[in-house]
Amino acid sequence: GENVEQHPSTLSVQEGDSAVIKCTYSDSASNYFPWYKQELGKRPQLIIDIRSNVGEKKDQRIAVTLNKTAKHFSLHITETQPEDSAVYFCAASMGGGSNYKLTFGKGTLLTVNP
Amino acid sequence: GAVVSQHPSRVICKSGTSVKIECRSLDFQATTMFWYRQFPKKSLMLMATSNEGSKATYEQGVEKDKFLINHASLTLSTLTVTSAHPEDSSFYICSATDSNYEQYFGPGTRLTVT
Repeated sequence: GENVEQHPSTLSVQEGDSAVIKCTYSDSASNYFPWYKQELGKRPQLIIDIRSNVGEKKDQRIAVTLNKTAKHFSLHITETQPEDSAVYFCAASMGGGSNYKLTFGKGTLLTVNP
Repeated sequence: GAVVSQHPSRVICKSGTSVKIECRSLDFQATTMFWYRQFPKKSLMLMATSNEGSKATYEQGVEKDKFLINHASLTLSTLTVTSAHPEDSSFYICSATDSNYEQYFGPGTRLTVT
């Protein structure tokens, strides 16, 4: 089955700096890669996603890049703010029918220091 | 956006009793729902995939007779933890998939077995 590795496990940055979280996946059939933000005790919230026919996607301060050849994708957060502090999870799925299921990375605890 | 509710948000039960958790998609129909378990400071572990009108598909190592899943309609899936034990204490989260493969998570249920 699919295996998703996520690094780093913890990341501490100063407010205004950029943060980058990287993930690799093992199954070349995966074609959907979402990123979730989870605050303590809350549900995971989808913040951005990318599909395999696209190499990069941006939404304001958040961007995701995908390298299908190398089987890795990354989350980039620019101009970080204290409210960006949370656990971020990457995930991968093959999409479609019964293959909707997501395989999650182990998460990155991001701390933005004011 | 798509909204998924979960009930109850917290439950405390005695060892040996059963607990039912409901997951509802409020503004869309979800043919597929997923049940996850999350330990403190850990990632989401997929337990099973729930398809409306058919038997759930359980992940390896998840006891189907202990974690009963019923997907009775396009907006409701239930997870029943039978004969609960303290080791079943955890945060249980459901998610529902829309037609674009995006998964929306419920707010989670904190189960404590005493």
